[in-house]
Amino acid sequence: EAQVTQNPRYLITVTGKKLTVTCSQNMNHEYMSWYRQDPGLGLRQIYYSMNVEVTDKGDVPEGYKVSRKEKRNFPLILESPSPNQTSLYFCASSPRQGHYGYTFGSGTRLTVV
Amino acid sequence: AQSVSQHNHHVILSEAASLELGCNYSYGGTVNLFWYVQYPGQHLQLLLKYFSGDPLVKGIKGFEAEFIKSKFSFNLRKPSVQWSDTAEYFCAVRFNDMRFGAGTRLTVKP
Repeated sequence: EAQVTQNPRYLITVTGKKLTVTCSQNMNHEYMSWYRQDPGLGLRQIYYSMNVEVTDKGDVPEGYKVSRKEKRNFPLILESPSPNQTSLYFCASSPRQGHYGYTFGSGTRLTVV
Repeated sequence: AQSVSQHNHHVILSEAASLELGCNYSYGGTVNLFWYVQYPGQHLQLLLKYFSGDPLVKGIKGFEAEFIKSKFSFNLRKPSVQWSDTAEYFCAVRFNDMRFGAGTRLTVKP
């Protein structure tokens, strides 16, 4: 089944403790992206990647890192999480840019206390 | 940079009522337009998209949307909503990156 897999689905952590949210797609998509969803703000892009070893900042990249060493994986790293990073996170992929829609992962609900 | 505005934050309808959700975008060039739906507790799913051709596009679950270039609009419509349409709806525009509106929450009363 074609899908985007995120892990974990739920995570509660403490301020400053490094964490990684994994994202993997099995559709050989070139383009992958991370969004955070907050009430009243819709989805805001954190980082995106147009292909292996090619990443760039979105609208809200502060406090996040990403890497794209393999085509299928695009992990999101929070080196020192803070409470304002409490949010619902989605990974998404598409074949490439242009008129292609996204396939979304199931989301990761992160709480930083 | 392109941006997307959704006019309604929360819409409440009774079953069988007609639905129209507004969406306007700011980019003046060639755009690719999308509507996504997010059911409670789930991820976003594609309802429909427009990138060229007939400006009236039909999607899944009886939804349709009309692209009006002169108005920079891409409104979502459904003639008769059901309780199961209760969800949040997001309009999005894509040039390189995908930009989403703030979303419209739809509540359908049985």
